[in-house]
Amino acid sequence: KAGVTQTPRYLIKTRGQQVTLSCSPISGHRSVSWYQQTPGQGLQFLFEYFSETQRNKGNFPGRFSGRQFSNSRSEMNVSTLELGDSALYLCASSLRGGTETQYFGPGTRLLVL
Amino acid sequence: QKEVEQNSGPLSVPEGAIASLNCTYSDRVSQSFFWYRQYSGKSPELIMSIYSNGDKEDGRFTAQLNKASQYVSLLIRDSQPSDSATYLCAVNMQGAQKLVFGQGTRLTINP
Repeated sequence: KAGVTQTPRYLIKTRGQQVTLSCSPISGHRSVSWYQQTPGQGLQFLFEYFSETQRNKGNFPGRFSGRQFSNSRSEMNVSTLELGDSALYLCASSLRGGTETQYFGPGTRLLVL
Repeated sequence: QKEVEQNSGPLSVPEGAIASLNCTYSDRVSQSFFWYRQYSGKSPELIMSIYSNGDKEDGRFTAQLNKASQYVSLLIRDSQPSDSATYLCAVNMQGAQKLVFGQGTRLTINP
């Protein structure tokens, strides 16, 4: 079974721009969670989607948003990019979320100049 | 108090020895616990999950959970240089539908 895939793998943007990242979960998995990883803050939870609905959200500003499609693929968008948004963005999927094991994709490394 | 705490290390262990990684968590009613390994520049990969008090063994890895003490650990026996990585403890907070990660412990196995 194919793992979690994320596109693109690398991105360079400038301040003020916006970016959209994509995540395809493991086949059959309906829960997709997004995380931001930085050297200073570690892995921080952004949000979780299940059956096209956002079920939980972390403490990030409204510039960070996401959505999930009927095939469970998910996208996250960051508007008005700031230098501090430079990070590794990770997507993880699980069958139904909750207490289940999450499996991570390779991540998208975003650099904001 | 952080929700999930780990000693950031670095932890240095000679090859062939036992590496012991520790994690404490604040939510007394947490039900699921995970250890992930992350190599530099890569994404986290699952090593072990544990849900019940006691030990769970998988090859060279043993996870230990003590809910009364709010403590979970990972033992790596016969440590190999390829085990050198950052180990992340993750706890699923009851009702929160999210994993909370510790800062990770950087482990180095010295040949």
